[in-house]
Amino acid sequence: QSALTQPPSASGSPGQSVTISCTGTSSDVGGYNYVSWYQQHPGKAPKFIIYEVSKRPSGVPDRFSGSKSGNTASLTVSGLQAEDEADYYCSSYAGSNNCVFGTGTKVTVL
Amino acid sequence: QVQLQASGPGLVKPSETLSLTCAVSGYSISSGYYWGWIRQPPGTGLEWIGTIYHSGSSYYNPSLKSRVTISVDTSKNQFSLKLSSVTAADTAVYYCAKRYPGYHDAFDIWGQGTMVTVSS
Repeated sequence: QSALTQPPSASGSPGQSVTISCTGTSSDVGGYNYVSWYQQHPGKAPKFIIYEVSKRPSGVPDRFSGSKSGNTASLTVSGLQAEDEADYYCSSYAGSNNCVFGTGTKVTVL
Repeated sequence: QVQLQASGPGLVKPSETLSLTCAVSGYSISSGYYWGWIRQPPGTGLEWIGTIYHSGSSYYNPSLKSRVTISVDTSKNQFSLKLSSVTAADTAVYYCAKRYPGYHDAFDIWGQGTMVTVSS
């Protein structure tokens, strides 16, 4: 299984929105509604922020939203704040009890 | 609340076996949940290694399957990772994590990670 493809970087000014894509295949992203997203600050463990494409775990602000169309999932961060500057990773179920992560996107708050 | 702590040697020689343990606190592994290992080579992305249930049922990344063994010790409330025949490509921060109930791709609680370097 190959890593899901994410853009290396994305940026936005405070208060704006930024959208990150996560492209896979019909064997992973396109085949199941099981896409998760994680936020990772430098030197820290990833933080779970989205599951099942668009659901937020308890405590995650509604500024974070997810969607999916075909083989591509997306994470949108609205109302960008300085603390949103981090790396973001997607993951997807890939069948047969397998999981695959994305390549990661560095979000910069300008 | 559930907390995880990974530990093990920080330096492993090429061709040897990497062994790590993840101690779980705040929850009894024998009560349920799935538990996983994920790694992150320096400056790069995350890679799922495998997942195990308290009963011992386990699932591995196909690309690592021939070298990976994940086991669980309910008496010590911990689970372990063994990766054999390591090379420099296995140098990474290794994370242990709890899988979100019902979702193969979702890990909701992570340990702090432990850096393992493969070098002679």
